[in-house]
Amino acid sequence: AQRVTQPEKLLSVFKGAPVELKCNYSYSGSPELFWYVQYSRQRLQLLLRHISRESIKGFTADLNKGETSFHLKKPFAQEEDSAMYYCALGGNRDDKIIFGKGTRLHILP
Amino acid sequence: DTAVSQTPKYLVTQMGNDKSIKCEQNLGHDTMYWYKQDSKKFLKIMFSYNNKELIINETVPNRFSPKSPDKAHLNLHINSLELGDSAVYFCASSQRDRGQPLHFGNGTRLTVT
Repeated sequence: AQRVTQPEKLLSVFKGAPVELKCNYSYSGSPELFWYVQYSRQRLQLLLRHISRESIKGFTADLNKGETSFHLKKPFAQEEDSAMYYCALGGNRDDKIIFGKGTRLHILP
Repeated sequence: DTAVSQTPKYLVTQMGNDKSIKCEQNLGHDTMYWYKQDSKKFLKIMFSYNNKELIINETVPNRFSPKSPDKAHLNLHINSLELGDSAVYFCASSQRDRGQPLHFGNGTRLTVT
């Protein structure tokens, strides 16, 4: 069965401090992991996917199959990073993409 | 051009009514989805259609009926609306291949009074 766990419901970080949003998954096949961001009252937007191995808006995420994790990191938080962040898991072609419960990131001035 | 567009943006209606939400994508994707985001911001998949064929149907009450006239459209019809149906409904599309991300619409905020 597919499962995505985001243990933190709310994360408050001071501007300029490092950010780490945790995501753990459970999947029997070869996983595809994504991070989506939702700014206030807007649509969900793709932030990162693990196959791209890119950095978007200063965020990075590395898939760790040993720890079944895909944590999202940014070295220096900015106020505009305040948003809901969702970790998502897909996999085989016939499997759905499911989402974690989301973490609200609040950047303090 | 908006890639995934859904209408209406807001929908306020009374219990017992029937309503529809429309979704269209111009990305050429072969798969479309409906997700429900509840008041706690939990995002849960409801349905998925691939080339007009239903491929995912989560345990959603049969008051919810998706319809896909072609692969660019996926509408959601809801009968006998209940208070618990109040949520934001997101349409999304993707190519049904490994690693392809979802592209979301702006959402429809449904309020049932």
